[in-house]
Amino acid sequence: AQKVTQAQTEISVVEKEDVTLDCVYETRDTTYYLFWYKQPPSGELVFLIRRNSFDEQNEISGRYSWNFQKSTSSFNFTITASQVVDSAVYFCALSERASGGSYIPTFGRGTSLIVHP
Amino acid sequence: GAVVSQHPSRVICKSGTSVKIECRSLDFQATTMFWYRQFPKQSLMLMATSNEGSKATYEQGVEKDKFLINHASLTLSTLTVTSAHPEDSSFYICSARRGAGGTYEQYFGPGTRLTVT
Repeated sequence: AQKVTQAQTEISVVEKEDVTLDCVYETRDTTYYLFWYKQPPSGELVFLIRRNSFDEQNEISGRYSWNFQKSTSSFNFTITASQVVDSAVYFCALSERASGGSYIPTFGRGTSLIVHP
Repeated sequence: GAVVSQHPSRVICKSGTSVKIECRSLDFQATTMFWYRQFPKQSLMLMATSNEGSKATYEQGVEKDKFLINHASLTLSTLTVTSAHPEDSSFYICSARRGAGGTYEQYFGPGTRLTVT
């Protein structure tokens, strides 16, 4: 079973629309970390946010906002007033403690967002 | 933020040859480094985790003798694809982290696109 599920493979919107990217995770740990990364066509991963399991406070950063709900094991990402430059693949990731003690991240399959002008 | 470099960014090699990819943390000491592989339009698949001075821990299904990982210093890790074949063609991404804990930020390199002809 996947630990991180991004059910939306591809989303296509028109500029200025709001869009929400879903992320559902699965873990038995009480301490874990969730991330969102952006991968533009150039390929380099860009860090967007990290959340630890004890901090359910939602966060807003400019046009980006994140909704972390432990009750539903979800960590959704919303882009408000989308722009063409937002077009990229977005990855959600879960970092939990491995048997050796180190935290190992697992990535979802990614959601390709296409913003049309 | 911290910078991770990879060299080369692109490499084309003939089947049967070996290719070395370098990953460097430029402005911080990376206790832990990760190597990922990404096929077109797919997620990042963790290949191995390496801690400085220790042998790398490979994920299930990754051939240790084919993908040699060396993490000789706190700022350098190398991935050598030995006797490369066309099926090894992929986008290889390294990532570096200051520590093993989940609170540490994970910084990604720009990736290396390997094409084996």
